[in-house]
Amino acid sequence: AQKVTQAQTEISVVEKEDVTLDCVYETRDTTYYLFWYKQPPSGELVFLIRRNSFDEQNEISGRYSWNFQKSTSSFNFTITASQVVDSALYFCALSGNLAGGTSYGKLTFGQGTILTVHP
Amino acid sequence: ETGVTQTPRHLVMGMTNKKSLKCEQHLGHNAMYWYKQSAKKPLELMFVYSLEERVENNSVPSRFSPECPNSSHLFLHLHTLQPEDSALYLCASSQDRGAISSPLHFGNGTRLTVT
Repeated sequence: AQKVTQAQTEISVVEKEDVTLDCVYETRDTTYYLFWYKQPPSGELVFLIRRNSFDEQNEISGRYSWNFQKSTSSFNFTITASQVVDSALYFCALSGNLAGGTSYGKLTFGQGTILTVHP
Repeated sequence: ETGVTQTPRHLVMGMTNKKSLKCEQHLGHNAMYWYKQSAKKPLELMFVYSLEERVENNSVPSRFSPECPNSSHLFLHLHTLQPEDSALYLCASSQDRGAISSPLHFGNGTRLTVT
């Protein structure tokens, strides 16, 4: 079975601090994808990044960076110099072939981490 | 208009009412999804439609009835709901049906309250 764990339920930081959101996953698939989504108060989940299981290069996009470590089954998300607009609920998700079947968007989501950035 | 649009944004209904949630995607995607987001629970996949054919039904009670008349529109018909069905209902779409690499694009959701 697939599982995604986001151990941090809530994180609170002050603006300009760096913050890391942890994500640990479990899967039996050899081919899988990992995603991060941001859900602001408006409700819409915004796709941030996708990483496939064969690409362990870290990625940086502006103030956002992602650290994928297959050895520890982790896909952590770091926001550098956080801003108030970063306040949101963040989800890590996993998509795999589930033992040969089709996935059809069978994203397994973590519980989410609420990030609050104070001015 | 772009993206995934859901209406209404908020809905309050009694347990004996019948209502429908609507979703429309303007992204040219092949697959559409209904997710349920309850407090303190992970996002739950309810239904998946691929090219207007239902390909997934995740043991959802029959009081929820989806309809996909074409690849751009998705409905969720509701009847005789229970208070525990109160949640945020999210619609999503993706480019490639069955592809595990396709990211989902979500709408803003409908906040449903059952009284």
